[in-house]
Amino acid sequence: TQLLEQSPQFLSIQEGENLTVYCNSSSVFSSLQWYRQEPGEGPVLLVTVVTGGEVKKLKRLTFQFGDARKDSSLHITAAQPGDTGLYLCAGERGSTLGRLYFGRGTQLTVWP
Amino acid sequence: ETGVTQTPRHLVMGMTNKKSLKCEQHLGHNAMYWYKQSAKKPLELMFVYNFKEQTENNSVPSRFSPECPNSSHLFLHLHTLQPEDSALYLCASSSGQGVEKLFFGSGTQLSVL
Repeated sequence: TQLLEQSPQFLSIQEGENLTVYCNSSSVFSSLQWYRQEPGEGPVLLVTVVTGGEVKKLKRLTFQFGDARKDSSLHITAAQPGDTGLYLCAGERGSTLGRLYFGRGTQLTVWP
Repeated sequence: ETGVTQTPRHLVMGMTNKKSLKCEQHLGHNAMYWYKQSAKKPLELMFVYNFKEQTENNSVPSRFSPECPNSSHLFLHLHTLQPEDSALYLCASSSGQGVEKLFFGSGTQLSVL
């Protein structure tokens, strides 16, 4: 059973379009993180959200943590080819070190 | 120097070989991790070390043997692997305090023939 479900699994869009990626669970998380991974590299942390309802912006990327802290979304405005990559959400539960639960990821391809 | 360095980047080995993966972090972190990333599967936590002590072994087969001589270095010793062990093996580190924020290396792409 997958604790964090990400959708869509694949997303292929044209440069300039907007998109939203979802990360859903029936479990509550103390924090939720988004990572981006490019081919041949490890994931890179984009943002951490810890408060229910929190919204964080990183240039053209907007991250939201659900009010109940069970879900999150990533919205990209005016996507660019440089946004191409695998987007992973990861949720932290409890205080045990290393207990980050990862979703399967959304593979985003932005065509010029 | 990048934050977390892994070597080798690519490794091909037979099922009877013994090899080791190396990870080094230059971030002053106290916690280090091994993750396995397979196609169509989420990242799987394998081992966690905090201040050189193993705090998590996520039911990993004994053909994978971790070693953490100090807070900056982490090894994964491999022996008698199976083809299904082929995957990207990622090392990560974190401060070990507060909200967990992982810094990953570039990974070792392992192929077992």
